[in-house]
Amino acid sequence: QSVVTQPPSASGTPGQRVTISCSGSNSNIGRNSVNWYQQLPGTAPKLLIYSNNQRLSGVPDRFSGSKSDTSASLAISGLQSEDEADYYCSTWDDSLNEVVFGGGTKLTVL
Amino acid sequence: QVQLVESGGGLVKPGGSLRVSCTASGFIFSDYDMSWVRQAPGKGLEWVSSFSSSDSYTNYADSVKGRFTLSRDNAQKSLFLQMNSLRAEDTAVYYCARFIYSYATFDFWGQGTLVTVSS
Repeated sequence: QSVVTQPPSASGTPGQRVTISCSGSNSNIGRNSVNWYQQLPGTAPKLLIYSNNQRLSGVPDRFSGSKSDTSASLAISGLQSEDEADYYCSTWDDSLNEVVFGGGTKLTVL
Repeated sequence: QVQLVESGGGLVKPGGSLRVSCTASGFIFSDYDMSWVRQAPGKGLEWVSSFSSSDSYTNYADSVKGRFTLSRDNAQKSLFLQMNSLRAEDTAVYYCARFIYSYATFDFWGQGTLVTVSS
């Protein structure tokens, strides 16, 4: 059971905007920045967003991140079929003194 | 460009040992913290261990503490994870990742190496 919680699944149709949430506590998201990773089927994770809302170079601006209090969100606008993947949030936990990941959200493009 | 290539995975019996390696290229290896992150089959990501470049400090997840040892060879641009007393629950793909401590983020990942612990 992760200390950071994500919905197990999300879905949307091409062109739609979807958001994926990441909920934590004052010992993790409340005090530290959040990162988002995309894992396409059968591949290694890839960093999309770091420091809450900073896109890694080369990441399309369709992807955006935000954080408020002890929660964060990843938004994907103009959804495309190639966005179908697992998405993970992560942050530092001050109580555990380690990086923690959310359980992951499987995004399906209908 | 940054590349991380893992090797050394395989099948090992419970209680056995295995060492996985990661060879880096495309960046100044000695300047960066490095980590291992694992993913059990069909499951999510789990941080395993990190090695600080500045003070050689290493830390481990509670699930592997006392059994796994992380080391690095800057001259060979390599990171190693020695895994002892392996258990079935250690079965996973082990990813080598470059760790940016200030953001607590893994900015580049290798392709992973599969470790299977089974009798």
